[in-house]
Amino acid sequence: EDQVTQSPEALRLQEGESSSLNCSYTVSGLRGLFWYRQDPGKGPEFLFTLYSAGEEKEKERLKATLTKKESFLHITAPKPEDSATYLCAVQAPYGGSQGNLIFGKGTKLSVKP
Amino acid sequence: EPEVTQTPSHQVTQMGQEVILRCVPISNHLYFYWYRQILGQKVEFLVSFYNNEISEKSEIFDDQFSVERPDGSNFTLKIRSTKLEDSAMYFCASSPWQGEQYFGPGTRLTVT
Repeated sequence: EDQVTQSPEALRLQEGESSSLNCSYTVSGLRGLFWYRQDPGKGPEFLFTLYSAGEEKEKERLKATLTKKESFLHITAPKPEDSATYLCAVQAPYGGSQGNLIFGKGTKLSVKP
Repeated sequence: EPEVTQTPSHQVTQMGQEVILRCVPISNHLYFYWYRQILGQKVEFLVSFYNNEISEKSEIFDDQFSVERPDGSNFTLKIRSTKLEDSAMYFCASSPWQGEQYFGPGTRLTVT
């Protein structure tokens, strides 16, 4: 069964304290790995797509990387407004699938001033 | 910037009643999805829709659920006879291709 596991479940950082979130996946034939940000009571907000091992994407203080078995979301010098739940998702493999996403449980990030 | 919209933002219904959740996907997108998120749990896929028909559905999407794209803009999810366990946030998403998906703000469904 295709699985997405995120760690840690929760992370508390001081403003400016850099860290990384982990997403490990087991899927036969990765089509794409996605990172989303979700604020309480809101829908997931798209951040990045990664398709192949070695690929990296950056946006402001966030950088996503991908290996054959996991992805990392690096947060450099976070600010309180980066506080949110970060979701990792993989696309279901080819073979009839229209690309539905399989989500992990997320990492809840809190950044204190 | 175009965005997915959903109505209502909150729906309260009694067990056994029918509900229709509405979504307006981003206008030039071709693939449409419904997901749900039970409080404190992960986002789960329900159904995908392409070329005016269901292309895939999960085990959750049983005979009580149906989807429609009645016109060129709206995309609806109907639950015929709601159960307590249907209480969740329901998210609509759309995509221009089978890549990144853009989610709406969600409808919170409360079944009493």
